[in-house]
Amino acid sequence: QKEVEQDPGPLSVPEGAIVSLNCTYSNSAFQYFMWYRQYSRKGPELLMYTYSSGNKEDGRFTAQVDKSSKYISLFIRDSQPSDSATYLCAMSGATGYALNFGKGTSLLVTP
Amino acid sequence: NAGVMQNPRHLVRRRGQEARLRCSPMKGHSHVYWYRQLPEEGLKFMVYLQKENIIDESGMPKERFSAEFPKEGPSILRIQQVVRGDSAAYFCASSPQRADYGYTFGSGTRLTVV
Repeated sequence: QKEVEQDPGPLSVPEGAIVSLNCTYSNSAFQYFMWYRQYSRKGPELLMYTYSSGNKEDGRFTAQVDKSSKYISLFIRDSQPSDSATYLCAMSGATGYALNFGKGTSLLVTP
Repeated sequence: NAGVMQNPRHLVRRRGQEARLRCSPMKGHSHVYWYRQLPEEGLKFMVYLQKENIIDESGMPKERFSAEFPKEGPSILRIQQVVRGDSAAYFCASSPQRADYGYTFGSGTRLTVV
């Protein structure tokens, strides 16, 4: 079983839709949870960061962490075509710096 | 205010040659991290370096791979005697101190071994 599981998609939604992206993980030692966005042929860009369980909101983005279920989510409200990218979840344990990434979910927002 | 700079962007090597990938961290950043993204795979942590020190190389293949971050100049990821399986995108990231909250990545070097 991989430590971090993420549905690769692709996920296609119309502009303005609410997007839900998810990851599950198996390592209960993970404490730091992140979401990255990666455009084609570019490096990952940090979107959201959460420590331990709970919710965090930043503009149109909301990150949720449920450590009891080992499940994290990213919600994108009022999705835009510019949100079309691959979304990577990442998490780490006590060391913090060594990130464990999911394979990424490809999102396409159509006008 | 330049971000993390990686070069070259694309590198083609024949099997058995050496590949050198360079990473210049953001200004003021002294911590560098290297990751590899194989086709259809997620990014995998390789190594964490501070200036002149390797802090954690637990993700580095045991043979042919090495990394350094000298006092002056960029961090270098070196792959000796490359094989087809080394073809991947290699990303580096940097932070001003040890990062517990994610960090800034460069645009990567895409290595193709022919």
